[in-house]
Amino acid sequence: QQQVKQSPQSLIVQKGGISIINCAYENTAFDYFPWYQQFPGKGPALLIAIRPDVSEKKEGRFTISFNKSAKQFSLHIMDSQPGDSATYFCAASSLGTALIFGKGTTLSVSS
Amino acid sequence: NAGVTQTPKFQVLKTGQSMTLQCAQDMNHNSMYWYRQDPGMGLRLIYYSASEGTTDKGEVPNGYNVSRLNKREFSLRLESAAPSQTSVYFCAGNRADTEAFFGQGTRLTVV
Repeated sequence: QQQVKQSPQSLIVQKGGISIINCAYENTAFDYFPWYQQFPGKGPALLIAIRPDVSEKKEGRFTISFNKSAKQFSLHIMDSQPGDSATYFCAASSLGTALIFGKGTTLSVSS
Repeated sequence: NAGVTQTPKFQVLKTGQSMTLQCAQDMNHNSMYWYRQDPGMGLRLIYYSASEGTTDKGEVPNGYNVSRLNKREFSLRLESAAPSQTSVYFCAGNRADTEAFFGQGTRLTVV
C-alpha cells in the first residue's frame, strides 16, 4: 500500500516557468510534510517542509501548498532555473515514525 | 562536523556473499534509517531505529538485518546477497519529527 502518491513522474519546464509537483497521502496521522531535492550522485537534501496547521509556506522561489481536507500537498517552483533540474521527493511522517517517500519527480528545466 | 557518513561508497558483491554497510552520524540524532533507492520506486524504508537499542522493520526488510551499535552508528547487513538487492542505499538520521539528513549513499551491485 503506497501511503504517499506523487505526480508527475517527470516534468519539463521552460526557464522562468512554474514547476508544480503534487502529492497525496492516506494516513491522517501524518503531521510533517517535507520536500527533498536530490542531484545525481548525491543524497536527498531537505528543500522545504510544512506542518498541517498552515495552508502555505514560502521560502524564496519554493512554496508548499497544503490541503488538509483533501489530504494533498504540492510544491511550486517559481521562475524555474536550469539549476533546479533535479529529482524531487515528497514525504510524510508522524511523531516517532519514519519518513515515507513518494516515488519522485524528475524535473528538467530547459534554457 | 561530518554529518551522516556512509561506507563504502561503492561495492560489487557476488551472489551469496555477505557484507555490512556502515553508517555513522555526529549530529546527535536519536533516530536513524536505512532506505534503498531504485529507479522509479523512490526511497523505500528498509529498517529504522527510533532510539539506541531499538529497531523496527520498514517496507522492504527481507534479506537485511540491522544493528544500532550506539547512538552514532547504525549498520545494515546483507547475509546472502541477491541480484535483487542491487540498489543505492542511503542512511539518514534525525531528531523526532524534524529534518532528516542523508548520507551520500552506497551504490551496491550484486552479480
